[in-house]
Amino acid sequence: EVQLVESGGDLVQPGGSLRLSCAASGFLFSTYNMNWVRQAPGKGLEWVSYITSNSGTKYYAESVKGRFTISRDNAKNSLDLQMNSLRDEDTAVYYCAKLVSNGWHIDYWGQGTLVTVSS
Amino acid sequence: IVMTQTPLSLSVTPGQPASISCKSSQSLLFSDGKTYLSWYLQKPGQSPQVLIYEVSSRFSGVPDRFSGSGSGTDFTLKISRVEAEDAGVYYCMQGVDLFTFGPGTTLDIK
Repeated sequence: EVQLVESGGDLVQPGGSLRLSCAASGFLFSTYNMNWVRQAPGKGLEWVSYITSNSGTKYYAESVKGRFTISRDNAKNSLDLQMNSLRDEDTAVYYCAKLVSNGWHIDYWGQGTLVTVSS
Repeated sequence: IVMTQTPLSLSVTPGQPASISCKSSQSLLFSDGKTYLSWYLQKPGQSPQVLIYEVSSRFSGVPDRFSGSGSGTDFTLKISRVEAEDAGVYYCMQGVDLFTFGPGTTLDIK
């Protein structure tokens, strides 16, 4: 069974930093590309970042470019999102999401972790 | 790529059909010949779940009352006979140029 379990969400002040993690199991993590997707309270889904299976390619939404860094450790089946210079508008539930191997859709989502940016 | 959905909300009686439209600002036909438009349902208090991928392919375990159609920039999700468990927010997503979600359509069951 595929499982994605996010952690690291917390209350942080504007300008602060936070590191999210996603523990993957139930599939060969090292062979799948992954996404982070977020959802502000009461709002829709927003794609945040993408990383290929070997970390060779990384993409970011314009809203987080230069502040967030995606990374992964295939030996530990772990996906991370380092978030710096946090803003009020980064407040959201952050989902770890697995992409299919032969296409461009998400087949599994984690349960999400809440990041609240507030003074 | 900008994704739009209509309507943004709808209320349907169980057993009746429902239809959601999704339009993209650019064609979602990729160079490999596939069209990367997928549909997700987020039930209240839950994470999103995939329903349809590549316009019309149902994900494993998705009831056949859900169907997708369309091409290029215009797509539709149809539910042939709505059930109470179908309540939630439906999102379309493009995967041709990074990823973009539509604003979501809230389905309420009367």
